[in-house]
Amino acid sequence: AQSVTQLGSHVSVSEGALVLLRCNYSSSVPPYLFWYVQYPNQGLQLLLKYTTGATLVKGINGFEAEFKKSETSFHLTKPSAHMSDAAEYFCAVSEKAAGNKLTFGGGTRVLVKP
Amino acid sequence: DADVTQTPRNRITKTGKRIMLECSQTKGHDRMYWYRQDPGLGLRLIYYSFDVKDINKGEISDGYSVSRQAQAKFSLSLESAIPNQTALYFCATSDPRVFTFGSGTRLTVV
Repeated sequence: AQSVTQLGSHVSVSEGALVLLRCNYSSSVPPYLFWYVQYPNQGLQLLLKYTTGATLVKGINGFEAEFKKSETSFHLTKPSAHMSDAAEYFCAVSEKAAGNKLTFGGGTRVLVKP
Repeated sequence: DADVTQTPRNRITKTGKRIMLECSQTKGHDRMYWYRQDPGLGLRLIYYSFDVKDINKGEISDGYSVSRQAQAKFSLSLESAIPNQTALYFCATSDPRVFTFGSGTRLTVV
């Protein structure tokens, strides 16, 4: 069965510093992987996704993630944090054998300090 | 208009009351889903439907029921609301692995 673990429910970074959000997944077959962002009092917005092909995926707002099959990881990074990056971030996995349903991690809330 | 519309946006209800959350989509997708979001738990799947005649339980379906009235409409009911059903509820549609989410319904059961 597919599952997702996000390490760290809260992350605090300084403006201009690297943002690193960790995500590990469990899946019996190569999955599709996603990162979503939720700004305060808003719905979910897709940041980026990995389907097949290139393992380094670039998304919106300067974020990128790298799929590492050997480590079953899909960590999200941004070289330089901006105040507007303060939000909650969710990693999710979709597996064809599970009917392509999305399974989410517990989320990581990012605080950006000036 | 939004691709996925949820009503109401906010609702406060009393323990024991029946409440329905509604969702409609204009994407033309067959697949629709209901998730709930709780702090620290992410989003968990309540029910999903792959077409009008197909309804399936998700991981946390107890205390909930759904109705798929049409391809575009998928409603979630709490037959007798209880306080631990206080949460943010999201409806989504997919085609089949590209998901579009609604803005959510914040439900408080007092």
